[in-house]
Order: sequence, then C-alpha cells, then structure tokens
Amino acid sequence: DAGVIQSPRHEVTEMGQEVTLRCKPISGHDYLFWYRQTMMRGLELLIYFNNNVPIDDSGMPEDRFSAKMPNASFSTLKIQPSEPRDSAVYFCASSLAGAGNTNEKLFFGSGTQLSVL
Amino acid sequence: QKEVEQDPGPLSVPEGAIVSLNCTYSNSAFQYFMWYRQYSRKGPELLMYTYSSGNKEDGRFTAQVDKSSKYISLFIRDSQPSDSATYLCAMSPSSYDKVIFGPGTSLSVIP
Repeated sequence: DAGVIQSPRHEVTEMGQEVTLRCKPISGHDYLFWYRQTMMRGLELLIYFNNNVPIDDSGMPEDRFSAKMPNASFSTLKIQPSEPRDSAVYFCASSLAGAGNTNEKLFFGSGTQLSVL
Repeated sequence: QKEVEQDPGPLSVPEGAIVSLNCTYSNSAFQYFMWYRQYSRKGPELLMYTYSSGNKEDGRFTAQVDKSSKYISLFIRDSQPSDSATYLCAMSPSSYDKVIFGPGTSLSVIP
C-alpha cells in the first residue's frame, strides 16, 4: 500500500487566496483525521471523520476552515480566505478501527507545508 | 494548563546512552497511550502503544505508564544516531475517540 497520500507537498500563496489541501487515506481505513503542526502549538487536531461523516470539528479554528470527505478515498481541507497565521504543516492521517484495531494507530501522510505571505 | 505537557528539549546524547523521554497529562480519562516518532519533514509514525498502566517493551524501547501520577515515559536503550528525531507522546480516552498529542521532544544522538 502507498500509505496516506497528501497533495500538494508545498503550497505558497498570498493572503486572501483560497487554499485546498488534499488527502487520500489508506484503502479500507474508516477514520480520517486532519492535523496542523506548528512550533508554537505542536500537533493540533482540526477535524476527524468516521465513514466519511464528520465526527468532531471542534478543533477547526475559524469559519474560514472547512473540510469535506465526499467518499472513502478522498478528503479536502479548504481555507478561504487564507491568512499568514495559517502557515503551518497540515497532516492527514487515517486509521482502521474495529476487529481488534483501534483508531489510536494513526498512519500519517508526509504533510503539506503551507506558507501564506 | 495544556492537556498534555512534554519537555521540548532539544535533548542531545552520545551514541549508546540511555534516553528517557517523559510526558505528563491532566485528563484522568485517558486510557490509551502512544509514542510517535517524527523524522524531519515526515509525518509522525507510531512507535509504541499501551493500554492503561504498566510497562511495554519492544526491542530497545520501553514504554511506561503511571496513571496514578498521570505520567508516561519512553526509554531508549543503546541509543543510535538513527534514533535522532522528534518524539511525541499521545493519548486518548477510548479506542474510538480523538488522539491528543504532546508538543514533542527533539532528540539528537551524537555518534
């Protein structure tokens, strides 16, 4: 398996622009998580899905952030409009729960380095 | 107070040393405890996983959980330069709940 795939790897944009980050989870995994990592705040959970349904979005910082999971193999995180303080590394992770597994065993993608100028 | 606290380091040790990494937490509901390792420019990867209190050993790595003190540790024996990474503790109240990460400790093992 190729693992969790995120795109783009790097994104540089100007303040006010829309940014869309993409994630393909591991096939068969039923949980998908979006995290943001900064030096100041560490790794923060933004939102997570179970079977394509958003379960907890309490970590989404503002209404400028939105996430969707239209099917089991694809998710997007959108920021509109973007601001310099959104600059961070955004990680997508997936996990398989049930049948002796738990969703603590997260598999992370390589992340998207976002820079908002 | 943050939910999970971790000494950010950086921690620098000579090759072959024993390394002790620690986390404290405030939420007594946490039952599942993990250690993730993150190399530069990579996503975190699961290193150790334990449920409730006790010890777990895997090769050179030992994870300890003391729920009464709300304290978890990761010990690395015979540390190697390849162990140089950031180590993040993580925890969750249940097997179907969100995982909360500590800020991470940066470790450098010097040859």
